[in-house]
Amino acid sequence: GAVVSQHPSRVICKSGTSVKIECRSLDFQATTMFWYRQFPKQSLMLMATSNEGSKATYEQGVEKDKFLINHASLTLSTLTVTSAHPEDSSFYICSARDVENYGYTFGSGTRLTVV
Amino acid sequence: DAKTTQPNSMESNEEEPVHLPCNHSTISGTDYIHWYRQLPSQGPEYVIHGLTSNVNNRMASLAIAEDRKSSTLILHRATLRDAAVYYCILRDFYNNNDMRFGAGTRLTVKP
Repeated sequence: GAVVSQHPSRVICKSGTSVKIECRSLDFQATTMFWYRQFPKQSLMLMATSNEGSKATYEQGVEKDKFLINHASLTLSTLTVTSAHPEDSSFYICSARDVENYGYTFGSGTRLTVV
Repeated sequence: DAKTTQPNSMESNEEEPVHLPCNHSTISGTDYIHWYRQLPSQGPEYVIHGLTSNVNNRMASLAIAEDRKSSTLILHRATLRDAAVYYCILRDFYNNNDMRFGAGTRLTVKP
């Protein structure tokens, strides 16, 4: 089946630095990928929709200058958390839609801790 | 997308069947019913989906009410590895957009 690889699985960074998270569709092309954030004991919250070759669409309340999304190819989307602060510590999850199989496949998530 | 309502939590004993309910009274004719589950510290994984008829796969069964306003995910023999949060989500077949999650049901499986 469709596989989405997300890297890194865990990252610890200092406050004020930037962190890049990669999301790759391994065996299918994904024109659209999605980024979610999940705080402990809460559900996934959609942050943005990433479209290959165009600007991402951000959900209300998500700062686009802080969470930079790049979807330069049909198999790779990246999320960069810029000038990270402790409140950005969360579990970030990407997903891609496998158009042929009408399914959404999720990455394994990235645990970001900002100290 | 139409909204779904699920119990916050459920408990089951190992090797017993589990029935996870989902209400979706405002479902439209083109909404598919999807179930995903999220194991601790992992991304969600697909479980099953259906439109009108009951569906079976190697993971679970999906029973859809005749009026489609509710559905039930059935795990035939729960194992400890089935402990997860289960999400019932409606997706419009013609909507090429995102998948949004509700609170889901946290399933605890007791040995």
